[in-house]
Amino acid sequence: NAGVTQTPKFQVLKTGQSMTLQCAQDMNHEYMSWYRQDPGMGLRLIHYSVGAGITDQGEVPNGYNVSRSTTEDFPLRLLSAAPSQTSVYFCASREAGVETQYFGPGTRLLVL
Amino acid sequence: GESVGLHLPTLSVQEGDNSIINCAYSNSASDYFIWYKQESGKGPQFIIDIRSNMDKRQGQRVTVLLNKTVKHLSLQIAATQPGDSAVYFCAELAPGTYKYIFGTGTRLKVLA
Repeated sequence: NAGVTQTPKFQVLKTGQSMTLQCAQDMNHEYMSWYRQDPGMGLRLIHYSVGAGITDQGEVPNGYNVSRSTTEDFPLRLLSAAPSQTSVYFCASREAGVETQYFGPGTRLLVL
Repeated sequence: GESVGLHLPTLSVQEGDNSIINCAYSNSASDYFIWYKQESGKGPQFIIDIRSNMDKRQGQRVTVLLNKTVKHLSLQIAATQPGDSAVYFCAELAPGTYKYIFGTGTRLKVLA
């Protein structure tokens, strides 16, 4: 199993540009989440999904959209990038009924 | 370079010594706890977990201790090795919720 994979690894955007961060998992996990990690702060939840077709907001959802059309994929969309969205983004997944959550390698995003 | 963890507390230990990393959790109702290891430029990696009905759990070279009275979690690493150098953080999960609460982490530096 590849586990949780994320692309791209690095991205530089200009303010106002849009992009999609990709996340995929091959473990057939029902639950998937997106987090951002900023210096001096714990991981913060952006959006999450408990199954295909079901998504919900986390604690910092503004400026981000998600969809879950398949169990495997959970893309995160930035509609109009802002410098405040400069961060490291992690996707995670876990099996329903199992608490252990597994993370992808991250996407480092710089918004100029 | 690595931007995460610039302001983290740091624990420096000599190679071969034991390390103890502490975490204060926030929710007295949390019943599941995880320790993650995050190496520079990588995603968080699961180390060990513990449920609230336990006080101690051991893995390979790692032990997690849980003190529910003072809402404290610790990670002990035996015979610390250079490969243990990383940021370590804890996460807690309350029953019936999806959202983890993550600590900000401690940077472990292993001195040769």
